[in-house]
Amino acid sequence: AQSVTQPDIHITVSEGASLELRCNYSYGATPYLFWYVQSPGQGLQLLLKYFSGDTLVQGIKGFEAEFKRSQSSFNLRKPSVHWSDAAEYFCAVGPRGYQKVTFGTGTKLQVIP
Amino acid sequence: DAGVTQSPTHLIKTRGQQVTLRCSPKSGHDTVSWYQQALGQGPQFIFQYYEEEERQRGNFPDRFSGHQFPNYSSELNVNALLLGDSALYLCASSNGQSDEQYFGPGTRLTVT
Repeated sequence: AQSVTQPDIHITVSEGASLELRCNYSYGATPYLFWYVQSPGQGLQLLLKYFSGDTLVQGIKGFEAEFKRSQSSFNLRKPSVHWSDAAEYFCAVGPRGYQKVTFGTGTKLQVIP
Repeated sequence: DAGVTQSPTHLIKTRGQQVTLRCSPKSGHDTVSWYQQALGQGPQFIFQYYEEEERQRGNFPDRFSGHQFPNYSSELNVNALLLGDSALYLCASSNGQSDEQYFGPGTRLTVT
């Protein structure tokens, strides 16, 4: 069975500091991996996705993620956080075609001045 | 270009009632997936519709059913509502040519 673990429920960072959100997955085949962001009262917005190729993936809003097959990880990073990045972030795994995508429980990011 | 739209925005129902939620996919998309997001949780996959057929289903009881229309819009029906069905219901659309799934803003269902 596929699963996603986001070990950090809540993270607080100072504006301008770097950020890394952790994600570990379990998947029986080649995984398709995603990071989504959800602002309060909003739907989910795709930040980036990994299907194949270069294991360092660039996304929107200055985010990037690195796929490490040996560690079953797909951590999200940003070099300098802005106050507008405060939101909840979800890692997800699934097959191509978006059938039965499995989400983690999310990491809530708080940004302090 | 309108993205994924969902209606209604909010809904309050009583235990045992039935509810229908609606979703219109992004223009050019032919596949609709439904997710349930309970408070403090990540979205859980309910099912996916393609060519008016249910293509995949998550671990949800038969009380959850759906439909897709020829214009690709979709409905999610939940019968015999339970308090535990209170959640944000998200619709997402995609197609075979693009590698992106777009989500709607969701319908907040409260069961009392």
